[in-house]
Amino acid sequence: EDKVVQSPLSLVVHEGDTVTLNCSYEVTNFRSLLWYKQEKKAPTFLFMLTSSGIEKKSGRLSSILDKKELFSILNITATQTGDSAVYLCAVEANNDMRFGAGTRLTVKP
Amino acid sequence: DSGVTQTPKHLITATGQRVTLRCSPRSGDLSVYWYQQSLDQGLQFLIQYYNGEERAKGNILERFSAQQFPDLHSELNLSSLELGDSALYFCASSARDFIYNEQFFGPGTRLTVL
Repeated sequence: EDKVVQSPLSLVVHEGDTVTLNCSYEVTNFRSLLWYKQEKKAPTFLFMLTSSGIEKKSGRLSSILDKKELFSILNITATQTGDSAVYLCAVEANNDMRFGAGTRLTVKP
Repeated sequence: DSGVTQTPKHLITATGQRVTLRCSPRSGDLSVYWYQQSLDQGLQFLIQYYNGEERAKGNILERFSAQQFPDLHSELNLSSLELGDSALYFCASSARDFIYNEQFFGPGTRLTVL
């Protein structure tokens, strides 16, 4: 059965720290991997990754995919309190989308 | 604001009942997706429509059904409701079909089954 595993499940850091969130997957017919940020309400899109080794970057956030080792990482540098949220990883495969359980990031001032 | 609207925001009903959740996609988006988010199951993909046709089906129960109308709005029908159906139901939309695309989520409908 297809599965998506995120780690850690929870992370507490201080402002200015750099964090790395992990997402590993086991699926057949992989198409893409997506990262979302969910604060109080609906998820908001961060990145979509389809090719290995190509870093996607948006401000202090970046992400990369390794299709050989079947994982992706999401990096956040110089964290701010506004980065506190649940970060969701989703993998699109077989006309389905599987989400990981999420990593709850708390950034303390 | 993503541009995706969902109604109602909250819905409280009893077991055995039937409800309809409504979603209007962003202007110009042809795809609509439905998701269920509960505390124990996390976020789960239910079903996707593209320009009125069902395109992908995830973990959707037989008691649930959906459709997308010619004006591209979509409805998710939940019947014979059980306590375990209590969850936040999200609709998302995108410009293209399922593959390789960014989805924009609506604010969700919180369903409580008593």
